[in-house]
Amino acid sequence: AQSVAQPEDQVNVAEGNPLTVKCTYSVSGNPYLFWYVQYPNRGLQFLLKYITGDNLVKGSYGFEAEFNKSQTSFHLKKPSALVSDSALYFCAVRDGNNAGNMLTFGGGTRLMVKP
Amino acid sequence: NAGVMQNPRHLVRRRGQEARLRCSPMKGHSHVYWYRQLPEEGLKFMVYLQKENIIDESGMPKERFSAEFPKEGPSILRIQQVVRGDSAAYFCASSLAGQGSYEQYFGPGTRLTVT
Repeated sequence: AQSVAQPEDQVNVAEGNPLTVKCTYSVSGNPYLFWYVQYPNRGLQFLLKYITGDNLVKGSYGFEAEFNKSQTSFHLKKPSALVSDSALYFCAVRDGNNAGNMLTFGGGTRLMVKP
Repeated sequence: NAGVMQNPRHLVRRRGQEARLRCSPMKGHSHVYWYRQLPEEGLKFMVYLQKENIIDESGMPKERFSAEFPKEGPSILRIQQVVRGDSAAYFCASSLAGQGSYEQYFGPGTRLTVT
């Protein structure tokens, strides 16, 4: 079975400061990892993914994430937060060895960026 | 290039009625996924379909829920004899292919309210 944990229900950060949203995962095969963002009353928007290669992945809107195999983590980061980054963020994993392509999502982390 | 489309965006049903949710994938995508999201929770996988085939329905409740993706037309998630516990946001996603590293693109969701 595969699982994702997002240990923080909410992260508060001041505009202009760096932000980190944490994610750890568990999967039996090769992890394919994804970050999505959800704005109120909207669907999820894809931010970035890690499949293979460089551990630091760059995505949309200045976000990046670092894959750490030994810590089974895939934390989302941004050097300088914007108020417009305030939203709900979801980490997801699927087993790259499993052709079924089922994504498992974490419970979400609400990011609040204050002016 | 239109994204994933879902309709209706909001649906109100009385207990015992049927709910039909529609999803049109992105152009060129032939893989469709349905997820359910309860308030302030992550997305839970329900079913994965290709045209005329159910690939994985491990997340579907055994009774009252069914899904299809016909050769022509949108994918349909059907909930018979709805109960209050079915109230949730239902999201559809599509991907270019079902295997490999392809990310899923999400629609805006259908918010079902059972009264």
